[in-house]
Amino acid sequence: TQLLEQSPQFLSIQEGENLTVYCNSSSVFSSLQWYRQEPGEGPVLLVTVVTGGEVKKLKRLTFQFGDARKDSSLHITAAQPGDTGLYLCAGVLIELTFGKGTLLTVNP
Amino acid sequence: DSGVTQTPKHLITATGQRVTLRCSPRSGDLSVYWYQQSLDQGLQFLIQYYNGEERAKGNILERFSAQQFPDLHSELNLSSLELGDSALYFCASSADSGGVTGELFFGEGSRLTVL
Repeated sequence: TQLLEQSPQFLSIQEGENLTVYCNSSSVFSSLQWYRQEPGEGPVLLVTVVTGGEVKKLKRLTFQFGDARKDSSLHITAAQPGDTGLYLCAGVLIELTFGKGTLLTVNP
Repeated sequence: DSGVTQTPKHLITATGQRVTLRCSPRSGDLSVYWYQQSLDQGLQFLIQYYNGEERAKGNILERFSAQQFPDLHSELNLSSLELGDSALYFCASSADSGGVTGELFFGEGSRLTVL
């Protein structure tokens, strides 16, 4: 059983479209992190959310932490080919645990 | 460039063999983490060291072992290799004082192929 469930597993869209990916758990986390991993590279941190209900914006990316601190979402506005990558959410219970990720492909 | 260096980048070996993966953390980071990434399991935590001591252990097989040296570099040893051990192995470091609260900086990974 995966501690952090991410959906969808795969997402292929056209440039300019909006999208939302989700990260859900039955556990409560003190914080959740989102990473992006590009082919041939390691994951890179995008954001950390720490307060239930918190919304953080990073240019065209909007991250939300659920009120109960069990889930999070990532919304991308007007996606660009450069957004292509594997989006991973991660939370700490004892160690940093990752979901399996959403593989996003943005086609020009 | 994350500042974390992993070698080798690619490794091909046969079943039953033993390999060593090496990681140099970012300058000043005391914590080193090892993760295994495969298509079916995703990114799985193996083990964490903090300033030379084991701090947390995940789903690391008994055939695998790791250590962190006084200069803070770390090695992951994989022995009696099986086909299923083929994966990307990532090292990450952080400035955390043992508990994970901040950002992990990942290396580019070592891709292990067991034939």
